[in-house]
Amino acid sequence: ILNVEQSPQSLHVQEGDSTNFTCSFPSSNFYALHWYRWETAKSPEALFVMTLNGDEKKKGRISATLNTKEGYSYLYIKGSQPEDSATYLCAFGSWGKLQFGAGTQVVVTP
Amino acid sequence: EAQVTQNPRYLITVTGKKLTVTCSQNMNHEYMSWYRQDPGLGLRQIYYSMNVEVTDKGDVPEGYKVSRKEKRNFPLILESPSPNQTSLYFCASSSGGSYNSPLHFGNGTRLTVT
Repeated sequence: ILNVEQSPQSLHVQEGDSTNFTCSFPSSNFYALHWYRWETAKSPEALFVMTLNGDEKKKGRISATLNTKEGYSYLYIKGSQPEDSATYLCAFGSWGKLQFGAGTQVVVTP
Repeated sequence: EAQVTQNPRYLITVTGKKLTVTCSQNMNHEYMSWYRQDPGLGLRQIYYSMNVEVTDKGDVPEGYKVSRKEKRNFPLILESPSPNQTSLYFCASSSGGSYNSPLHFGNGTRLTVT
């Protein structure tokens, strides 16, 4: 079974501050790295799918980078807002299987 | 509206009573998958299907069955549910396979087996 790790498990951020967190995954048999945002009582929603080493994606104040050679991806939130409070999941794709990390829970306080 | 529909949203059942959780998508997606979510463990893949009549095991397939007779439907079957299958279940679909397209998730099914 593959091992996808996310750190930290949780973090608290002041409104307006920027933050980032990590997803680590196996560097072999890589197909794709997904990021999802999961709000309480809702379903996960896709943020990014990255497939190439060095990929950088951006959606509003949220961006992500990918290093497939060393097996990690960073998600950045710039100028955090209370509506950014959610659990952020990454998932490692390898031929049909998509293995999720346990998530980083982000709480943004006003 | 493009969506993945799961039913039921909530289900309480007893050990050993067969049940089916339905999943249907209207986006003509080839890829469909089932996940269970347990506290501290994240989403774990149960089964996936790359296309009609093509299914394969994920990381936690024991105690579950699936079928993919039509492109839009991917039901999850628990032949003899046990309390350790109490969990939150998500169905998801994507075009072109999980490795290069984002997943669209259903609303989830919270199953309790007593």
